[in-house]
Amino acid sequence: AQSVAQPEDQVNVAEGNPLTVKCTYSVSGNPYLFWYVQYPNRGLQFLLKYITGDNLVKGSYGFEAEFNKSQTSFHLKKPSALVSDSALYFCAVRRPGGSQGNLIFGKGTKLSVKP
Amino acid sequence: DAMVIQNPRYQVTQFGKPVTLSCSQTLNHNVMYWYQQKSSQAPKLLFHYYDKDFNNEADTPDNFQSRRPNTSFCFLDIRSPGLGDAAMYLCATSIMGKNTEAFFGQGTRLTVV
Repeated sequence: AQSVAQPEDQVNVAEGNPLTVKCTYSVSGNPYLFWYVQYPNRGLQFLLKYITGDNLVKGSYGFEAEFNKSQTSFHLKKPSALVSDSALYFCAVRRPGGSQGNLIFGKGTKLSVKP
Repeated sequence: DAMVIQNPRYQVTQFGKPVTLSCSQTLNHNVMYWYQQKSSQAPKLLFHYYDKDFNNEADTPDNFQSRRPNTSFCFLDIRSPGLGDAAMYLCATSIMGKNTEAFFGQGTRLTVV
């Protein structure tokens, strides 16, 4: 069965420091992986995706993620965190044979960036 | 701008009183989804429409229904809301057969009193 794990409930980072939000996946076949961000009482905003190609994927707002097939990971990274990056981050995998919105989400990681 | 719009943003309904949540899109996407997100949990897919074809998730309660009268609109009907149905309801759209990502609306927060 497809699944996504986000091992950290919360990540705390000082502004200006690099940040990493972890995600591991379990899929059959080639994975379609996504990161979304959610601000309080708002919908989900797309950050980036991995479908195929380069393992390093660059996305919105300076975020990037590295697809690692051997470790089945898709960690989200940013070189220098901003206070405005504080939000809830979801990793997701597309269901096999499903459309791009047919997603299984991880439980989410709350990112807190302090000044 | 093209987008996914959910109305209302906040909905309060009485226990057992039917309620309808609305979603519209200007993206002309052929797939529309409804997700339920309870507090501090991951969004969970309830069902989706591929054009007019309705696809229900196996564990979606019968209390939840959906209608898609045309490409642009999709409705979520909760026939008899219970306290446990209080959640954020997210609508999303995508294009079948394309690798573009899904677009989400701002969500409707449902409170059951």
